[in-house]
Amino acid sequence: KNEVEQSPQNLTAQEGEFITINCSYSVGISALHWLQQHPGGGIVSLFMLSSGKKKHGRLIATINIQEKHSSLHITASHPRDSAVYICAEGNQGAQKLVFGQGTRLTINP
Amino acid sequence: DGGITQSPKYLFRKEGQNVTLSCEQNLNHDAMYWYRQDPGQGLRLIYYSQIVNDFQKGDIAEGYSVSREKKESFPLTVTSAQKNPTAFYLCASSIGSSKLNIQYFGAGTRLSVL
Repeated sequence: KNEVEQSPQNLTAQEGEFITINCSYSVGISALHWLQQHPGGGIVSLFMLSSGKKKHGRLIATINIQEKHSSLHITASHPRDSAVYICAEGNQGAQKLVFGQGTRLTINP
Repeated sequence: DGGITQSPKYLFRKEGQNVTLSCEQNLNHDAMYWYRQDPGQGLRLIYYSQIVNDFQKGDIAEGYSVSREKKESFPLTVTSAQKNPTAFYLCASSIGSSKLNIQYFGAGTRLSVL
């Protein structure tokens, strides 16, 4: 069974802190997606990666294929980063993505 | 602007009633998806369509139906057979159905039962 586990489920931090959200998956993948869900419900795709590391502004996503683990980092966090962050894996066998339950991030000023 | 439009934003269903959620995209994407989101759970796939006039069941298709008569439209009907329809529904599209493709999401429809 394909499973995606995220940790922590909830994270509260002060503005400026370095944030790490973790994602573990159970089977070999072809792609790992990170998404951001805003308080209103809309979802935006942040990254798709199958190896290594990607960076966009203050966001960095890494993946370790051998350990079946990915992390999303936010540097110099800001209250506008407050959202739910979701990882999803697409494995070689299935047609669809499997989503984690999300990590709710709150950045206090 | 290009994107995905879902309507309505809020919808209320009476007992025994079918309701239809609209999803329209002007991104010229071939693939479209419907997901259901419940509190504390990951998104679950209801139906997906890889191309016009074709669609497949996802993990939780029971009580739902879809059609794909036009490339830009993928409406979802929540039938009276769906006994627990209260949830947040998200529509998405991608250029193709490969897992390597980015999915673009609509703003969602929140469905409640009266």
